[in-house]
Amino acid sequence: QQQVKQSPQSLIVQKGGISIINCAYENTAFDYFPWYQQFPGKGPALLIAIRPDVSEKKEGRFTISFNKSAKQFSLHIMDSQPGDSATYFCAGREWSDYKLSFGAGTTVTVRA
Amino acid sequence: DAGITQSPRHKVTETGTPVTLRCHQTENHRYMYWYRQDPGHGLRLIHYSYGVKDTDKGEVSDGYSVSRSKTEDFLLTLESATSSQTSVYFCATKTGGGSGGFNNEQFFGPGTRLTVL
Repeated sequence: QQQVKQSPQSLIVQKGGISIINCAYENTAFDYFPWYQQFPGKGPALLIAIRPDVSEKKEGRFTISFNKSAKQFSLHIMDSQPGDSATYFCAGREWSDYKLSFGAGTTVTVRA
Repeated sequence: DAGITQSPRHKVTETGTPVTLRCHQTENHRYMYWYRQDPGHGLRLIHYSYGVKDTDKGEVSDGYSVSRSKTEDFLLTLESATSSQTSVYFCATKTGGGSGGFNNEQFFGPGTRLTVL
């Protein structure tokens, strides 16, 4: 079973709007939470990552919000652009491990 | 790109035939991974390697085997392909160093689309 649950499966947002993707995890041993971005026909690539000792991390228009007590984290894409149209995966990893557990993915479509 | 190539990029095969997918990296990364990507399931780990000749199973390893005889090459074999193994397969690599610092990123190859008829 998936250790990281991701929602929604897909979303459509207008150019300039905010895209929000949510993830929840079960494994309290997770200590690293990355987000990967995948364009059609390409492999995923690391977008942004956070550790549970911080509640928020921002890189440009992309922000991760982290709620350790609720075991939830989310990706916010501010001022969404058509070039942000992609599939986004959240993931978690245990501190002692080398494997990532991925969510099911969210396909984001930004309409011009 | 982290210098990861996958071959073939596309393959159509028939049920019951063996299939081998190859991942080649030029970054001298210690860890290598094979994932499959299916709609609604995200990326699921098939097998991974933590060094030459050192491999372990992932969450969906049944029907698959792997080998790593050189740092740069990681082979995935479908011993007898089934239609349920129709998928897009991704190879990924990660440098060594464990959990700390900037050693966490996995770099993905371009993928292999496999169709089993």
